[in-house]
Amino acid sequence: QSVLTQPPSASGTPGQRVTISCSGSSSNIGRNDVYWYQQLPGMAPKLLIYDNNRRPSGVPDRFSGSKSGTSASLAISGLRSEDEADYYCAAWDDSLSGSGVFGGGTRLTVL
Amino acid sequence: QVQLQESGPGLVKPSQTLSLTCTVSGVSVTGGGYYWTWIRQHPGKGLEWIGNIYHSETYYNPSLKSRVTISADTSKGQISLKLTSVTAADTAVYYCARTLTHRDTWFGPWGQGTLVTVSS
Repeated sequence: QSVLTQPPSASGTPGQRVTISCSGSSSNIGRNDVYWYQQLPGMAPKLLIYDNNRRPSGVPDRFSGSKSGTSASLAISGLRSEDEADYYCAAWDDSLSGSGVFGGGTRLTVL
Repeated sequence: QVQLQESGPGLVKPSQTLSLTCTVSGVSVTGGGYYWTWIRQHPGKGLEWIGNIYHSETYYNPSLKSRVTISADTSKGQISLKLTSVTAADTAVYYCARTLTHRDTWFGPWGQGTLVTVSS
């Protein structure tokens, strides 16, 4: 059971816009930045979005992030076949002595 | 260019200690002001933050704290992970990654990961 809640799956056709949600609480998303990772099959995760809505260099501007209250979203516009992957949200959680926490992951299928 | 590579036994018996090493190249493990984090991924499942280290300062996931030790060997450029009293629930791919602060979930780069199976 992951601390952050994501839908297990999402899908879209090429060119469409897809959003993936990430729900948390006041101890994590409500007070800390959200990060998004893309994991291609058989590979390590790769940072996609940091500080809620910022893209590392090299990440296409088709990817965008947002945060409001205790929830966050990742949007992918102009969907491409190579976007088919697992997507994870992450945030620091201040409960107990603190810990990094992740969502359970969303598998994106490009139809 | 910073690179990380995990290594260690792929099979560990139940109740024994899992020991993994992350070899860091391109930067000193005690220089540059970076923290080094261990993260695991159970087969077909999500990611779990294990803990991190900065010099000798360590932070652990409360759910694993009683069994985890992370240490750094500057001379070898390595970060080590030890997890005691393992069970099948510890079967996972273990990753090491660089991060900026102890409470950061900005991770990059990552190692390629190493699969550890707990089985007799």
